Amino acid sequence: GAVVSQHPSWVICKSGTSVKIECRSLDFQATTMFWYRQFPKQSLMLMATSNEGSKATYEQGVEKDKFLINHASLTLSTLTVTSAHPEDSSFYICSARDFTRSTDTQYFGPGTRLTVL
Amino acid sequence: GENVEQHPSTLSVQEGDSAVIKCTYSDSASNYFPWYKQELGKGPQLIIDIRSNVGEKKDQRIAVTLNKTAKHFSLHITETQPEDSAVYFCAASISYGQNFVFGPGTRLSVLP
Repeated sequence: GAVVSQHPSWVICKSGTSVKIECRSLDFQATTMFWYRQFPKQSLMLMATSNEGSKATYEQGVEKDKFLINHASLTLSTLTVTSAHPEDSSFYICSARDFTRSTDTQYFGPGTRLTVL
Repeated sequence: GENVEQHPSTLSVQEGDSAVIKCTYSDSASNYFPWYKQELGKGPQLIIDIRSNVGEKKDQRIAVTLNKTAKHFSLHITETQPEDSAVYFCAASISYGQNFVFGPGTRLSVLP
């Protein structure tokens, strides 16, 4: 149980294009999903917290107009990187909380590696 | 805000030996402390967690201890195996499951 999937697992795009990453909770409902960014050999940095049916809360320094987050259902959140540039190349990971369980943890997806040429 | 430090940054042990990774946190309001294992190119996997009302928790070869007074918590892995080799991250959360702050990670290598 508590499986989170991401799609795609990797994507290569040209500079200036937009890329959408999907995060799904497969066997539970997630009222809250989180989006992280991880550069090579570094830790996870929280980008935003996404609540179903409401606007995402972005961390300081994260451009909300560049990283569009939509959490339209209890099992799906999407991150769209708009007008991507090479510096946006990174490993993007989502996580989700299962609010029905008596646990407080976040379950992570497998990540999406974005390479912007 | 919360700050989490983690030591050591790299750790090499012989197969069968024990490994200990330590984390300290700054905000005494933090009340939930999970540990994640991340293999290369994959997302983090929860391996064990502990709440602030518990001092120790064990799951087979893995244990976590928490010292609230000193604001530090540790991961203990006994009888290490090569498949334990990965990067381990600790995290602290002020509001149970929200707003995780991660440590910088420890790269554990278990030598056969």
